[in-house]
Amino acid sequence: GAVVSQHPSRVICKSGTSVKIECRSLDFQATTMFWYRQFPKQSLMLMATSNEGSKATYEQGVEKDKFLINHASLTLSTLTVTSAHPEDSSFYICSATTGGLSQETQYFGPGTRLLVL
Amino acid sequence: RKEVEQDPGPFNVPEGATVAFNCTYSNSASQSFFWYRQDCRKEPKLLMSVYSSGNEDGRFTAQLNRASQYISLLIRDSKLSDSATYLCVVNTNAGKSTFGDGTTLTVKP
Repeated sequence: GAVVSQHPSRVICKSGTSVKIECRSLDFQATTMFWYRQFPKQSLMLMATSNEGSKATYEQGVEKDKFLINHASLTLSTLTVTSAHPEDSSFYICSATTGGLSQETQYFGPGTRLLVL
Repeated sequence: RKEVEQDPGPFNVPEGATVAFNCTYSNSASQSFFWYRQDCRKEPKLLMSVYSSGNEDGRFTAQLNRASQYISLLIRDSKLSDSATYLCVVNTNAGKSTFGDGTTLTVKP
């Protein structure tokens, strides 16, 4: 199946710093990537939809100036958590669709655990 | 009301048991449906798509009832390795995915 990688897998940072998370589709071109956040014992919450070459579409309640998304190529999307605070600590997961008939199937990256002290 | 609702669980069953999970969705315009499996502290992985005609993959059977807006997953002959959280996922025609909160299954020896 399609492979999606994320980097870093885990990050600990001080409050007020910015953290960049990369999401790459390794063996396919992903026209659309999704960014999710998951708090303990809760389900995945979609933060934004990222389309290559255009601005991301953010879900209601997600601050676009705080969570900057860049989808510069068909294989890379980045999420930057700006001025992170302890309440931003979470599991951030990206996913990508392969397009065509399989477009609806999402392939998830391994996730990034963010801990803001 | 949540867009996608699942059995709260947890389900604790012995090896070899048959267990069924239910999921309901509120958006009648939903187009496609999936079951994902998520292991503790890992990303979700696609288990199977769900079709109106029903589909089976080994010990797993998924059913969709569009009239009742209801999806199910049946696991037969449970294995220890089936222990995980099972997520019901519903896509709209706009391509947006909505996840249920998940149902946790623990299969015990």
